[in-house]
Amino acid sequence: EPEVTQTPSHQVTQMGQEVILRCVPISNHLYFYWYRQILGQKVEFLVSFYNNEISEKSEIFDDQFSVERPDGSNFTLKIRSTKLEDSAMYFCASSERAGGGGNQPQHFGDGTRLSIL
Amino acid sequence: KNEVEQSPQNLTAQEGEFITINCSYSVGISALHWLQQHPGGGIVSLFMLSSGKKKHGRLIATINIQEKHSSLHITASHPRDSAVYICAVRALRGAQKLVFGQGTRLTINP
Repeated sequence: EPEVTQTPSHQVTQMGQEVILRCVPISNHLYFYWYRQILGQKVEFLVSFYNNEISEKSEIFDDQFSVERPDGSNFTLKIRSTKLEDSAMYFCASSERAGGGGNQPQHFGDGTRLSIL
Repeated sequence: KNEVEQSPQNLTAQEGEFITINCSYSVGISALHWLQQHPGGGIVSLFMLSSGKKKHGRLIATINIQEKHSSLHITASHPRDSAVYICAVRALRGAQKLVFGQGTRLTINP
């Protein structure tokens, strides 16, 4: 069964450094998402991406964050200048489509654990 | 107030017991998801439903749209069912994001 893959599984970075988290969504999917989960807390939405642009973003997704689909397969989340509070598990997800009556499930990757020192 | 509330937060049971996890939400939704998160952290989608009931193996999910309530049932529970079970909803009006509950930590003892 096709799956969403994320790399790396664990990233350790010094505060203030830039970090890029990578995701390969399922190949025929059109919608892409990033979520994060701070240790011990619930999963929170960051951003959704469709047709090469952000379709929705949360308050968490400020100017320090950006997303990109640099080629036909990868979907990346960049944090420009990391802070201690960015330490979390980051999940990528993808779905065939969303909206209207055509609900489709979101498929999640295994996550990247980001640790900021 | 959280948009998605789950109960209980923690549940410990003996192997073979029938398990029920509840989810209540406060917004109109287009779909509700039940997800499973294992100790390593990965998330697996179990069900997506917008009405009625779905069954997959020993897992059953139901939703009552009028009551804004969903339940996840596990029959003949097994230690390998031990995980965090998460309810997440997709709101109406074209929103794509999922809003998550805080999860229910289930432990099944042999």
